Amino acid sequence: AQSVAQPEDQVNVAEGNPLTVKCTYSVSGNPYLFWYVQYPNRGLQFLLKYITGDNLVKGSYGFEAEFNKSQTSFHLKKPSALVSDSALYFCAVRDRDFGNEKLTFGTGTRLTIIP
Amino acid sequence: GAGVSQTPSNKVTEKGKYVELRCDPISGHTALYWYRQSLGQGPEFLIYFQGTGAADDSGLPNDRFFAVRPEGSVSTLKIQRTERGDSAVYLCASSSLGGAPDEQFFGPGTRLTVL
Repeated sequence: AQSVAQPEDQVNVAEGNPLTVKCTYSVSGNPYLFWYVQYPNRGLQFLLKYITGDNLVKGSYGFEAEFNKSQTSFHLKKPSALVSDSALYFCAVRDRDFGNEKLTFGTGTRLTIIP
Repeated sequence: GAGVSQTPSNKVTEKGKYVELRCDPISGHTALYWYRQSLGQGPEFLIYFQGTGAADDSGLPNDRFFAVRPEGSVSTLKIQRTERGDSAVYLCASSSLGGAPDEQFFGPGTRLTVL
């Protein structure tokens, strides 16, 4: 079984401040982890993924995420928030079992950047 | 290049009717996925195709839901005897499955409303 928890429904950050959107996961084995962003009236857009290797993953629009196996977390971060970062963010996990292709998503975190 | 497209963008139907939702994946992508996103939730996996065959249909909620991909490209999700609880945004995604676990690219979705 695989699951994801995003403990915060809403995160507010002042423009220019660092931001963190939290994600924890549960899988039987080792995970593949993803972050997606959803803007109003638009589809989900891929931000970044963790497959293997370096625990710090860099992605689109200046976002990065840190894989922490001991804490089973994959928090999304950005050093300096922009108003245009305001959107709905989803963390997703996939168990590495062969043939398992389905993503399990969290319930999403709405990020609001305050000018 | 062109992304994943879905038609129609909106579909309103009456309880008990039959509906078809279409997905056109990114050209060359062999894997195709259907997800359902209810209000305030993350996407939930429905079914995954590798080529023409359904490799995993464990997410289909019941036998009213069926999906096909006869030529390994376009896919149609079919819902019989629609119920009000079927109202949601239906998302389609595709990926190339080129060895490494590729990210899934999502379409804009079809918003289904069952009256």
